[in-house]
Amino acid sequence: EIVLTQSPGTLSLSPGERATLSCRASQSVSSTYLAWYQQKPGQAPRLLIFGASSRATGISDRFSGSGSGTDFTLTISRLEPEDFAVFYCQQYLSSPRTFGQGTKVEIK
Amino acid sequence: QVQLVQSGAEVQKPGASMKISCKASGYTFTTYYIHWVRQAPGQGLEWMGVINPSGGSTSYAQKFQGRVTMTRDTSTSTVYMELSSLGSEDTAVYYCAREGIPMVRGVRSGLDAFDIWGQGTMVTVSS
Repeated sequence: EIVLTQSPGTLSLSPGERATLSCRASQSVSSTYLAWYQQKPGQAPRLLIFGASSRATGISDRFSGSGSGTDFTLTISRLEPEDFAVFYCQQYLSSPRTFGQGTKVEIK
Repeated sequence: QVQLVQSGAEVQKPGASMKISCKASGYTFTTYYIHWVRQAPGQGLEWMGVINPSGGSTSYAQKFQGRVTMTRDTSTSTVYMELSSLGSEDTAVYYCAREGIPMVRGVRSGLDAFDIWGQGTMVTVSS
């Protein structure tokens, strides 16, 4: 099973600031099989990024993904009030399809 | 529009079984795999398994083997997830989610992220 470790657990930032979230895999998932999701309280997760760096339909270009192999990053260039949420990475290279434990981006 | 609509919240007793549904609309039901993911209160996302709506084949996370059954009804474009021998640790929101790459002539053509999610079904296990 591929274990995904996200850091930090919580990120306290102000609107307009840049957020950098990390996801590290226990083994390589190449640059093809890594996704990022955003989840707001009481809502289902929403796909942001697939293939490590491709934005899903309708996702703002404030969100960008990068990385390959075992180290991946989600960057939010300028935080808007609606961006504050929990973010999960997921690998879909192999079964079971594992998720990271999440990073909460909260308003400072 | 493309959507997955799940059945409503349930309260179950320990030892009972639950069966929740996920109805697809806005796309060809048999073309995309459907996964189930659960989230315990205040916790992260946990993948449970996947079903191929075309042929009905399934693959389950080892943790749920023997306790979970995923089925589908192509006449109503609905996927079902049944979980038996419920315990308090099964209290969670259960989501269905579509894998974003279509099958080609009933065969998986690749691997993809989950592009469409149901709204979630809250299941509470309590005596």
